[in-house]
Amino acid sequence: AQKITQTQPGMFVQEKEAVTLDCTYDTSDPSYGLFWYKQPSSGEMIFLIYQGSYDQQNATEGRYSLNFQKARKSANLVISASQLGDSAMYFCAMREPLTGGFKTIFGAGTRLFVKA
Amino acid sequence: DTEVTQTPKHLVMGMTNKKSLKCEQHMGHRAMYWYKQKAKKPPELMFVYSYEKLSINESVPSRFSPECPNSSLLNLHLHALQPEDSALYLCASSQVGGAGLAYEQYFGPGTRLTVT
Repeated sequence: AQKITQTQPGMFVQEKEAVTLDCTYDTSDPSYGLFWYKQPSSGEMIFLIYQGSYDQQNATEGRYSLNFQKARKSANLVISASQLGDSAMYFCAMREPLTGGFKTIFGAGTRLFVKA
Repeated sequence: DTEVTQTPKHLVMGMTNKKSLKCEQHMGHRAMYWYKQKAKKPPELMFVYSYEKLSINESVPSRFSPECPNSSLLNLHLHALQPEDSALYLCASSQVGGAGLAYEQYFGPGTRLTVT
């Protein structure tokens, strides 16, 4: 069963506007971590933001914020004031404990295009 | 220094060749990871090393052989690969410990491997 679902293969946003990238997840473990990564065309994965399953407040990091709705099992990424450099692939990921360590599972990704 | 380096950046190898991918980090991280990423797909976990010991092997074929000679280095030895093994191979590192779920992974730029 798919554990991380990103339903938007591609998104367009006008420069300087806000955009929300959707992510839903599925787990029976009460302890988990949710991450968003950005992957430009160069290939490197860049960490953006983290939300823990027990965190009471939504995470924020500069222009990035995470809209965490635990009961709905959603962890949407909000990017405010989009910039041309935000054009990239964005992956939602969940980190679960596993025998021997921790495993990070990635969603299929959303490609964001920022228009000038 | 928050950098993970990977060499080579690009590699073309025949199906009978033996080659190695190298990954290095100097952040004091004691967990290191290999991921495989096919075009337009999310990264898939291959191996996890924790304190220089292999802790997770995601049923990867034996033609991929990981090695962690010390806490800063991670190698992936390749032998008798198939054309379908062509992909971007990403290395990552993270802290370990009680807050393991919260530790983000730092990724290298990857090695683009082509098997002919």
